[in-house]
Amino acid sequence: DAGVTQSPTHLIKTRGQQVTLRCSPKSGHDTVSWYQQALGQGPQFIFQYYEEEERQRGNFPDRFSGHQFPNYSSELNVNALLLGDSALYLCASSPSPTEARNEQFFGPGTRLTVL
Amino acid sequence: DQQVKQNSPSLSVQEGRISILNCDYTNSMFDYFLWYKKYPAEGPTFLISISSIKDKNEDGRFTVFLNKSAKHLSLHIVPSQPGDSAVYFCAASGRSGAGSYQLTFGKGTKLSVIP
Repeated sequence: DAGVTQSPTHLIKTRGQQVTLRCSPKSGHDTVSWYQQALGQGPQFIFQYYEEEERQRGNFPDRFSGHQFPNYSSELNVNALLLGDSALYLCASSPSPTEARNEQFFGPGTRLTVL
Repeated sequence: DQQVKQNSPSLSVQEGRISILNCDYTNSMFDYFLWYKKYPAEGPTFLISISSIKDKNEDGRFTVFLNKSAKHLSLHIVPSQPGDSAVYFCAASGRSGAGSYQLTFGKGTKLSVIP
């Protein structure tokens, strides 16, 4: 049973460029959430996708956008990259967005470096 | 504003002794609290959770205590083992306006168990 997978593992971009990160959820999960983890910080919620729609969003600008496909996989897109976007981007999946316990399964993350 | 706070960035404990990791929160509407463990180059993995209506949950060597009046929870690890050395994140699950649940993380505490 494959867990959450993310690609690529590492990425280096320059300021102003655009980037797309990819995530496949754990088998049986239909809800995908994305997090940004800056150095020395905890994961910070970006947004959540369910039924191919953005269900909720954290305090991130519109430069951050996403998509969920019919097979429940998801993409995170970041436009006009800033140096401050350098971070570990984590994808997490869960079986339902309305479960209070909200146990989420995380992928290994994509390390994005913006130069 | 930080809704979930872990005020100790690091903690060192001797093998076999008890490790106590602390977490404070400000939002009384959180429904569940979860602890995650993170090793370098891996995503966070779920450890244990507690409902907001409980005051204790135990799973093997791990016990979480919740003090709602103080808005404080703690994770106890007994006995501590070198393999427990990792960063521990406290997370709170709360319902958003869209009816979905969202995790809010603390900054983490790095636990080092000394053999």
